[in-house]
Amino acid sequence: DGGITQSPKYLFRKEGQNVTLSCEQNLNHDAMYWYRQDPGQGLRLIYYSQIVNDFQKGDIAEGYSVSREKKESFPLTVTSAQKNPTAFYLCASSTPGTGPSGYTFGSGTRLTVV
Amino acid sequence: GENVEQHPSTLSVQEGDSAVIKCTYSDSASNYFPWYKQELGKRPQLIIDIRSNVGEKKDQRIAVTLNKTAKHFSLHITETQPEDSAVYFCAASMSTDSSYKLIFGSGTRLLVRP
Repeated sequence: DGGITQSPKYLFRKEGQNVTLSCEQNLNHDAMYWYRQDPGQGLRLIYYSQIVNDFQKGDIAEGYSVSREKKESFPLTVTSAQKNPTAFYLCASSTPGTGPSGYTFGSGTRLTVV
Repeated sequence: GENVEQHPSTLSVQEGDSAVIKCTYSDSASNYFPWYKQELGKRPQLIIDIRSNVGEKKDQRIAVTLNKTAKHFSLHITETQPEDSAVYFCAASMSTDSSYKLIFGSGTRLLVRP
């Protein structure tokens, strides 16, 4: 699936629950990113990681957490502190060796609060 | 930080006509400008990109122009076809040796009428 896999495709969360979205890549990319997409809006950066065991906040990090224990994996946890989590979440990866055109997206996870 | 504005938000053209989407960016240090096409419920796909040392790039019916002085860049699609209907996103980035953080515009929904 393009070398970067997101799961699940659809996720339902009850209010007050934490949920974790999975993102795995087999492209040997160094950097990974999480974006949120709302209807009629562009992609907004939540967190990104340039290397294992390191990550930085993006523009809308509040209510989210991440970890980067392995190069291949960059899971995103949507915590109960995120008041409006319903959105389409996209994971991406890149590596400097291939240049900027090596920015690859996963197929996305649609999260709905019920 | 970088801010990218994109216009128009919706664009309807007759099949065979041209479509132009414009973006402006705020950070003069940005040096990489990709365009993505996203079909409903799917991941964004890179369709063309341009670096700051180039003023124009063309790939068949698609072209991108960059004006660094004015800090704006545009996507041009000629001889539009119904399958060009999708949401198009521009983005800007200041690439570094380790990663590049893409900042996206809000998107343009293009409808090509048969």
